[in-house]
Amino acid sequence: EPEVTQTPSHQVTQMGQEVILRCVPISNHLYFYWYRQILGQKVEFLVSFYNNEISEKSEIFDDQFSVERPDGSNFTLKIRSTKLEDSAMYFCASRSTLQSSYNEQFFGPGTRLTVL
Amino acid sequence: TQLLEQSPQFLSIQEGENLTVYCNSSSVFSSLQWYRQEPGEGPVLLVTVVTGGEVKKLKRLTFQFGDARKDSSLHITAAQPGDTGLYLCAGENSGGSNYKLTFGKGTLLTVNP
Repeated sequence: EPEVTQTPSHQVTQMGQEVILRCVPISNHLYFYWYRQILGQKVEFLVSFYNNEISEKSEIFDDQFSVERPDGSNFTLKIRSTKLEDSAMYFCASRSTLQSSYNEQFFGPGTRLTVL
Repeated sequence: TQLLEQSPQFLSIQEGENLTVYCNSSSVFSSLQWYRQEPGEGPVLLVTVVTGGEVKKLKRLTFQFGDARKDSSLHITAAQPGDTGLYLCAGENSGGSNYKLTFGKGTLLTVNP
């Protein structure tokens, strides 16, 4: 069964460093998302991406964040200068446009980002 | 800002018991999705409900979407230890056609043998 994959599973970085989190969405999906979950808190929307551009971003998604779909299969989230409060699980998700699976959004296993 | 309230936050029951968890909002959603999340893993989609009043069954799990599409419930019959986990509801907002999800905080279910 097709699935969303994410790498790395765990990323440890020093404060101020740049990190890139990678995702491979389900093929033929056209909507892509990043969410984050701080330990013990609820899953929060960061950004949605469709037709090679950001369609919506939350207040969390400030100028330090960017997303890219560089090659038609990967979908990346970059944090330019990490802060301690960026430590969280980051989930990538993709959504089908097929009527048979309409409205279903599938999540990857997540990348645990630890900022020291 | 759309909010989803889930209750109860924690639920500990014995194997064989029935339970219901609730997901409520003052906002209307175009659809509502239920996920199950294990520690350190991503949410796994259980079901999507779209139509007001819709009922879907997945083995011993029954999901219902409220008539007004503002609330939902998950009922588990004869719970088993394997049902232990965090159950999340998430409402889909079709406004602006980006279909982002708004999550509740979840219900942590423990089924004791």
